[in-house]
Amino acid sequence: DAGITQSPRHKVTETGTPVTLRCHQTENHRYMYWYRQDPGHGLRLIHYSYGVKDTDKGEVSDGYSVSRSKTEDFLLTLESATSSQTSVYFCAIRAGEGQPQHFGDGTRLSIL
Amino acid sequence: QKEVEQNSGPLSVPEGAIASLNCTYSDRGSQSFFWYRQYSGKSPELIMFIYSNGDKEDGRFTAQLNKASQYVSLLIRDSQPSDSATYLCALVSGSARQLTFGSGTQLTVLP
Repeated sequence: DAGITQSPRHKVTETGTPVTLRCHQTENHRYMYWYRQDPGHGLRLIHYSYGVKDTDKGEVSDGYSVSRSKTEDFLLTLESATSSQTSVYFCAIRAGEGQPQHFGDGTRLSIL
Repeated sequence: QKEVEQNSGPLSVPEGAIASLNCTYSDRGSQSFFWYRQYSGKSPELIMFIYSNGDKEDGRFTAQLNKASQYVSLLIRDSQPSDSATYLCALVSGSARQLTFGSGTQLTVLP
């Protein structure tokens, strides 16, 4: 396994509440990514990080923020969750140039 | 037009047959392509990547890339029921080398 842990694995919450998902890696990789996966859309990039405190937006970043204060942790926050953010969220890491991304086990998030 | 297009399937093949999965892309500048396999309820796992035109073989899997025609394909020889999964095609883009995925093709191998 690629040494990626996502937490929590499952979460059910209510509309309007804040939610934080955590991605923890033990590989010391520079690049980390957050994707969401929805039926019919495949995986879509939310935010990514290319180093500590270095982050940027992806294709579907509205309503999400991220932080990376340590190499090993990349946090995804939904400031005020909406039902449209019900999805499966995957974190991925990449070592460097020419290297593939490896995915965590995912977090299934339901917003009622 | 989506950047990466895949036939969503489902694609069914009998055990032992060759399964052919196809992917087309719109960005002529794309250089790197990945195939991931995803079992139901699981995370994507890397099968192969290909950078150069032509074929790349790894065991029962062959990836084919044709940059002039902007397609990449994955062939699975001697298909097994355990190959039944969704196969995701992805290309690399952007300064952080993020992946852009197709919607995936669901493959079922019938015993």
